[in-house]
Amino acid sequence: DGGITQSPKYLFRKEGQNVTLSCEQNLNHDAMYWYRQDPGQGLRLIYYSQIVNDFQKGDIAEGYSVSREKKESFPLTVTSAQKNPTAFYLCASGIAGAKETQYFGPGTRLLVL
Amino acid sequence: AQTVTQSQPEMSVQEAETVTLSCTYDTSESDYYLFWYKQPPSRQMILVIRQEAYKQQNATENRFSVNFQKAAKSFSLKISDSQLGDAAMYFCAYRTRSYFTGNQFYFGTGTSLTVIP
Repeated sequence: DGGITQSPKYLFRKEGQNVTLSCEQNLNHDAMYWYRQDPGQGLRLIYYSQIVNDFQKGDIAEGYSVSREKKESFPLTVTSAQKNPTAFYLCASGIAGAKETQYFGPGTRLLVL
Repeated sequence: AQTVTQSQPEMSVQEAETVTLSCTYDTSESDYYLFWYKQPPSRQMILVIRQEAYKQQNATENRFSVNFQKAAKSFSLKISDSQLGDAAMYFCAYRTRSYFTGNQFYFGTGTSLTVIP
């Protein structure tokens, strides 16, 4: 099946710990995105990547890091510098260019212990 | 930066009736895309409909249609013959057509739609 997968579905982080959220797509999309969703705030862009080995900060990149070593994969690390990481994280992908529409994965819920 | 405003945090509609969700946006660009996404309780974001700003004709997808008013920067979603499965959070989104601005999407804060049986 073609699509976007995110794992795990739920993730628990201890204070001072880095955690990594996985996002994989087999849609052959060039562009991939990470969003954070908080109640009442819609979706906010954390990082995005339009090609392999290149990525750009979004509006709320502080405390997060990403890599894009493969076209199919765009993992997000929530570092200990992110003081309020509890949120729902959505990964999206799309064909880079003028006609792009974003398609979303099922999301990961991150909770702090 | 572009902003997208959804002024109705919650809406409700009777099953089989029609409801319209509002969205306004602020931009200085002349060419862009607009989207409506649906997020049901499963939290999976699903594309509902897309509108290209250079097209005057309003987009339609089965029971979903939009009223795109470019001069007013308004992009409302009309759901006809509402069904129980339409209950969800609906997000309006804006995207520039310029590749060089990174294809960023800007989302509104959402409208929670309840469908009453």
